[in-house]
Amino acid sequence: AQSVTQLGSHVSVSEGALVLLRCNYSSSVPPYLFWYVQYPNQGLQLLLKYTSAATLVKGINGFEAEFKKSETSFHLTKPSAHMSDAAEYFCAVSRWGAQKLVFGQGTRLTINP
Amino acid sequence: EAGVAQSPRYKIIEKRQSVAFWCNPISGHATLYWYQQILGQGPKLLIQFQNNGVVDDSQLPKDRFSAERLKGVDSTLKIQPAKLEDSAVYLCASSLKESSGGAKSYNEQFFGPGTRLTVL
Repeated sequence: AQSVTQLGSHVSVSEGALVLLRCNYSSSVPPYLFWYVQYPNQGLQLLLKYTSAATLVKGINGFEAEFKKSETSFHLTKPSAHMSDAAEYFCAVSRWGAQKLVFGQGTRLTINP
Repeated sequence: EAGVAQSPRYKIIEKRQSVAFWCNPISGHATLYWYQQILGQGPKLLIQFQNNGVVDDSQLPKDRFSAERLKGVDSTLKIQPAKLEDSAVYLCASSLKESSGGAKSYNEQFFGPGTRLTVL
C-alpha cells in the first residue's frame, strides 16, 4: 500500500522568503510522486512530477522538488514566495506504471506581505 | 483545448435525498476518475473508468454511490440516499488511457473545478 504524509497543515511565509513544503511517502514499489496546487474553488493543477528520471524536478511557477529515496521524501521548494503562491498544496504518490493517485492531506500556504 | 467540465458547481440537499453530478472529460481522454475531497483532507479516489469499463471502484461506497460512463465519454456520479458525511467536493479528472508501464508512460490527470455538495 502507498501513503503520503504532509508535515504541517498550514505554512505561513513572508513574501520573498523561501517556501518549503514537506512530503514523506511510503511505498513498497518504486513510486511516482507529484505535487498539485489548488486555488480556491478550482480543481487541482499539476505543479511537477517525479517518474524515476532526474531526482531534482523543476515545475511551473518556479517550484522544484527533490526525490530522496533514503529519506523517503519529496519536499517542495521555491526560493522566493510571491503573493500569488497562496493556495493549498497536495503531495501525491502513484505506483510505478499505474495511474491511481493517493493524496496527502494538504498544506495551506499563506503569504504575508 | 477545453478542460474537464463539471456540473453543477454547487448543490445543497437534505439527508436521505438523491443527487447526481455530471462530468465531461477532455476530448480523447479514455480514462476518467471521480474523487471525493472532504474539507481539510486530500482527494480520495472513488472510481476510475477506462472507456466505459470500471478499472477501480474499491473505495466507492456501493450501498449508496453509483457511477456510470455509458458511451465512454461523459460520466455521472449518483448518491442515493445522501448522508451528512457525504458533504464534500466531488472532483472529476481525466487522462489519456491507463499507462501500460515504463518510466515515462504516466499520463497526467487533468481536474475539473469540482462540485461542492452540502448535505443538511
